[in-house]
This record gives sequence, structure tokens and C-alpha cells, in this order.
Amino acid sequence: ILNVEQSPQSLHVQEGDSTNFTCSFPSSNFYALHWYRWETAKSPEALFVMTLNGDEKKKGRISATLNTKEGYSYLYIKGSQPEDSATYLCASSVQAGTALIFGKGTTLSVSS
Amino acid sequence: DAMVIQNPRYQVTQFGKPVTLSCSQTLNHNVMYWYQQKSSQAPKLLFHYYDKDFNNEADTPDNFQSRRPNTSFCFLDIRSPGLGDAAMYLCATSREIGGSSTQYFGPGTRLLVL
Repeated sequence: ILNVEQSPQSLHVQEGDSTNFTCSFPSSNFYALHWYRWETAKSPEALFVMTLNGDEKKKGRISATLNTKEGYSYLYIKGSQPEDSATYLCASSVQAGTALIFGKGTTLSVSS
Repeated sequence: DAMVIQNPRYQVTQFGKPVTLSCSQTLNHNVMYWYQQKSSQAPKLLFHYYDKDFNNEADTPDNFQSRRPNTSFCFLDIRSPGLGDAAMYLCATSREIGGSSTQYFGPGTRLLVL
């Protein structure tokens, strides 16, 4: 059974702080890794999809890295802003055409 | 410019009273999914449609059914809701199933069972 774990479960930072959190997945079965941001009362929004070991993607102040050999991905937020407050979900798939398995998410709160 | 719409956003039902949640999409995607998310848990896939082909997850209770009358609409029917079915229900779409295909989500329907 594919198990996707995210840590920490929640964190609170001050505006301007940089932060990062982790998604881990079984490295023996890997096809793709997705990151989503879910703001309260809104729809989860796709941030990144990554497939290659060593891949790094960036979107504004947010970036993500992928290590498929050891089974983890990091999400980094540089200079956190209050609007970054959200739950960040990661999800993994084991092959094309199979469903995503989600982690429980990391809830980020940024105070000004 | 809503692409995946879910109605209603909040639904209150009584124990055992059938309830239907709806989802519509303007993306013309092949795949539509229903997820259940309970408090502090990961979203759990209940089933998905690839076009008209229905795929039920092995551990989805029989109490949960789905209909997809056309490309745009998909419904989640809960035949006899129990207290344990109170959750956020998310609808999502994608061009292809899982893999590296990005999923587009609706805002969810929060179901409360009294």
C-alpha cells in the first residue's frame, strides 16, 4: 500500500521567514509527485508536478525539489507572506493511469 | 472563471436520509473524481470516471454511488448517510487518469449528518 507522509502537520511562521516542509513516499514505486495549495474556502490549486529525480521547480517564491531515490520532496517558501497561509498537500502516483495517493497535508500559518 | 463547480458548498442531512452532491466542469476533461476528506486526514479517493467508465475504489462503501450523465456533470449519491460520513467531499477533473496529469479541484462540499 502506497503511503504518503507529510511533515510537519502544521507550522506557524512570521511574515518574511523562509520555511520548508517535507513529503515522503515509497521510492520503490514512483511515477510522479504533485504539490497542491489549498486555501481556506477555496479549491485546492496545483503548484507543481514532478517526475524526474533531481527535478527542481519554481513558481514565484515557492520552489520544490524531488529525490526519487530516497523518496522525498521538499517544498520551500522564501519570505513567507500572510497570503501563503494554506494547507499544502502532496500526492504521489506509482505509474501512468493510476490514481494519486495524497498525504494529510502541512498547514502553514503566516502572521504579519 | 470557475472551472470545477460544486453545489452546494454546505449540506446538512439527517441520519439515513439520501443526499446528492453535484459537480460540474467547464474543462471538458475525460476524468472526474470524488474524494472524501475527514478532519486532519488525507483526501481519500472514492471513485472516478474515465469518460463513462466507472471505477470504484475497493474500500469505498456500497452506500456511496456515483452518476455521470454527461462529460460536464458528475454526482455523488449517499444512499443512507451515517454520522461517520460527515466530511468534506471534493470533486476533481483531469485530462488523463492520475500519473502526471494535473487535477483541477472544486471548492468542496462540507457534509454534516445530524
